[in-house]
Amino acid sequence: GESVGLHLPTLSVQEGDNSIINCAYSNSASDYFIWYKQESGKGPQFIIDIRSNMDKRQGQRVTVLLNKTVKHLSLQIAATQPGDSAVYFCAENIRGDSNSGYALNFGKGTSLLVTP
Amino acid sequence: SQTIHQWPATLVQPVGSPLSLECTVEGTSNPNLYWYRQAAGRGLQLLFYSVGIGQISSEVPQNLSASRPQDRQFILSSKKLLLSDSGFYLCACRGRSGTEAFFGQGTRLTVV
Repeated sequence: GESVGLHLPTLSVQEGDNSIINCAYSNSASDYFIWYKQESGKGPQFIIDIRSNMDKRQGQRVTVLLNKTVKHLSLQIAATQPGDSAVYFCAENIRGDSNSGYALNFGKGTSLLVTP
Repeated sequence: SQTIHQWPATLVQPVGSPLSLECTVEGTSNPNLYWYRQAAGRGLQLLFYSVGIGQISSEVPQNLSASRPQDRQFILSSKKLLLSDSGFYLCACRGRSGTEAFFGQGTRLTVV
C-alpha cells in the first residue's frame, strides 16, 4: 500500500532561491531512502540517497535530511536553476520486505517549477 | 554502472492489437527487474517484478503479462490492448545489494 507521501504536489520557486521538497513515510521498518528526479517524458534519475542510520547527506547542490522521529524526509536544492524543473519522487526500501521483489515504494511526486 | 535499454520510446496501437515492450539491462547480473506504469501526472504503479529467469510476479491483475526469458531481458506483453492500457511504461533494475533502482527512459503507449 501507499505509505510514502508528499506534503506539496507542486512547488514554484524563483531561479537562484533554495527549494525544499518534503516527504512523509509511515513504515518504521524503512531503512533506505532515495530521491529521484523525473524530467518530462523520461525515466526517473537517481539524485541522492540516505540510509536510516544517518540524518543528513549532502551532494552537489542537494542535501537530504531524514528525521526518523517524525518519519519525514526532505530534499533541499540550493540555488535552484531552470534545469531543476522536474517532478521529484521520494522512495523507500522497507527492511526485510521481500514482497514485491524488494521493489522500492514510491511517493506520488512533487512538481518543481523554477521561474526566471 | 547499470544501463537500462527500453524500446520503442513511443508507440501508438489500436484497441485489440497485441503489445510487446522490451527491456534489456547492461552492467549487472542476476538483477531484480520491474515494470512500472505511470499515468499522466501521477506516481509509479508497480505492475510486475522478477527475481530471476522465468520468475514473474504480478502486483496488479490486468490485461498485461510479463516474461523474463534471459537474465537481463524483461518483456511486457498484451494479447489485446485496451484503451486503459495507455500510459508511460518504465522498466527498472535493482541489484542484489539493495541500493538504488535504475530506470529506462520509458515507453509512451497510446491506445487508440
